[in-house]
Amino acid sequence: DIVMTQTPLSSPVTLGQPASISCRSSQSLVHRDGNTHLTWLQQRPGQPPRLLIYKVSNRFSGVPDRFSGSGAGTDFTLKISRVEAEDVGIYFCMQATQFPWTFGQGTKVEIK
Amino acid sequence: QVQLVQSGAEVTKPGASVKVSCKASGYTFTGYYVNWVRQAPGQGLEWVGRINPDSGGTDYAQKFQGGVTMTRDTSISTAYMELGSLRSDDTAVYYCAILVEGRQYWGQGTLVTVSS
Repeated sequence: DIVMTQTPLSSPVTLGQPASISCRSSQSLVHRDGNTHLTWLQQRPGQPPRLLIYKVSNRFSGVPDRFSGSGAGTDFTLKISRVEAEDVGIYFCMQATQFPWTFGQGTKVEIK
Repeated sequence: QVQLVQSGAEVTKPGASVKVSCKASGYTFTGYYVNWVRQAPGQGLEWVGRINPDSGGTDYAQKFQGGVTMTRDTSISTAYMELGSLRSDDTAVYYCAILVEGRQYWGQGTLVTVSS
């Protein structure tokens, strides 16, 4: 199985400041169809995971443009340009390129 | 729009079984695998398995083989996951999720509590 490793595991951030989360996979996430199925999920306290970013850099419908994804191959990054109070939660990267789906450990974003 | 609506919370005893449902709408049910993901209290996300709603074929994570059975009823666009021989460490929220053209859609989750 592909191992997904996130850093940091905790990210205290000042409101209005940027935040960045890294995700590294143990193998390339480029699918034979040419797509890279790297997804970022947000999980607010007590809520199910919510899709933020799919295929590395595509924002899902309704996701604010302060969220952006980048990367290629095995190294990926989620950036929040200016953290707002509603961004508090746990962020997971996951891959769906290769069966089975695997997830990063999660990064807790909290306000300083 | 795509929606996955799961059945309500369950409380059950060790050794018992529980069946969780996931009703799909807003897309062609037989066109996409339904995946199940587990989240134990305070823990991360763990893939349990998947079912092909068209053929009924299933794949389970090795850890769950022998303890989980996934089925579907195409007439009502619903997928099921049955967990058997439950133990206290099976207490978790179980989510169904699908992947459509790179986009993931999640159910709201079903809390299964195993307690004597």
